[in-house]
Amino acid sequence: GAGVSQSPSNKVTEKGKDVELRCDPISGHTALYWYRQSLGQGLEFLIYFQGNSAPDKSGLPSDRFSAERTGGSVSTLTIQRTQQEDSAVYLCASSHPGRNQPQHFGDGTRLSIL
Amino acid sequence: RKEVEQDPGPFNVPEGATVAFNCTYSNSASQSFFWYRQDCRKEPKLLMSVYSSGNEDGRFTAQLNRASQYISLLIRDSKLSDSATYLCAVNSGTYKYIFGTGTRLKVLA
Repeated sequence: GAGVSQSPSNKVTEKGKDVELRCDPISGHTALYWYRQSLGQGLEFLIYFQGNSAPDKSGLPSDRFSAERTGGSVSTLTIQRTQQEDSAVYLCASSHPGRNQPQHFGDGTRLSIL
Repeated sequence: RKEVEQDPGPFNVPEGATVAFNCTYSNSASQSFFWYRQDCRKEPKLLMSVYSSGNEDGRFTAQLNRASQYISLLIRDSKLSDSATYLCAVNSGTYKYIFGTGTRLKVLA
């Protein structure tokens, strides 16, 4: 497919478990973003990648959250020792580099922590 | 003051009506602007970019008012299928895009 692909679509796990979310951006998009959206809320910026580098990780809510990107393509967002407040939809977006480039979103991963 | 603000709505309008939303931004250095549409439990989808001169795409018109620091989205001849939440996004010349919390539109039969 030509769009941003995220997996899994849904993830239900028990509190305290680790989870890994995956994002495969649009081919050729060097910029990649992770956001979190809680029910009825706006988009909360988590982290930005330009290529494999993450110049700004300040949006990550705690040190339980980490992200990496390899080969300038696929990115994974890892949440360790999940808590109930981590329940949300995690959205990935990608874009061409540059200031005026719109972002294109994946379908998101709906994460539920029991 | 939030960096990007939108009236949450809901805006309830009859089919065929014209409706407009605004999105205000606080950073005068903001350089690029976008409107997204988000359906319930779906991801945001790009609706249109907002250019300085204003732009139109079918029934949708976007405008930028730099002096008053807001962008607007006008929808003419509303359809039931236009019911959604409309998010604005503002980029201040860095990598970071700030999204508004969205304006909810309900088009009624």
